[in-house]
Amino acid sequence: DAKTTQPTSMDCAEGRAANLPCNHSTISGNEYVYWYRQIHSQGPQYIIHGLKNNETNEMASLIITEDRKSSTLILPHATLRDTAVYYCIVRAHTGTASKLTFGTGTRLQVTL
Amino acid sequence: GAVVSQHPSWVICKSGTSVKIECRSLDFQATTMFWYRQFPKQSLMLMATSNEGSKATYEQGVEKDKFLINHASLTLSTLTVTSAHPEDSSFYICSARERDYNEQFFGPGTRLTVL
Repeated sequence: DAKTTQPTSMDCAEGRAANLPCNHSTISGNEYVYWYRQIHSQGPQYIIHGLKNNETNEMASLIITEDRKSSTLILPHATLRDTAVYYCIVRAHTGTASKLTFGTGTRLQVTL
Repeated sequence: GAVVSQHPSWVICKSGTSVKIECRSLDFQATTMFWYRQFPKQSLMLMATSNEGSKATYEQGVEKDKFLINHASLTLSTLTVTSAHPEDSSFYICSARERDYNEQFFGPGTRLTVL
């Protein structure tokens, strides 16, 4: 039972903003939205997470809708090195629901 | 961010042999470690969760006698694939989390090829 829905793939031109959407309509009140990415043949890399407020760090911004049923990860100036599979995951911070369960993710291809 | 290492980064073995993969947290104490498996063009699948000093909790469908997990210290967990067969060939990734912190950090993965 997938808890998140993401597009299978997206393209983005280098230097432009990459906006990766995620639907999580069944998110519970105690669940956070996490984003990880996996560059080919490497372990996943943590990007950002949030509960209900928008968040920004040196890598990306996370915009969560007011009803928390969807979110968007924004890479403000995509580079070729941002080509990866991006995973949107919802998880609680405690208990058995705190496991990170990966879906199929979005394969982002950044092009020249 | 915190660093998690894995050793070896890749291993090739003959069918029927056992292979041990190490996962270390280098700059923090990992009270919980996770082991994932990833087949080509597929997503990561959680195999088991281990807390330091306790027995691992395996996900449904994962054979605990085949995939032995030891988490004897706060910086080291090992996964032993016993009597490996070609269908066990996969990318094995560990992850670690420190008590009271919610971020989960991943190792670089170990590619296992069983001939």
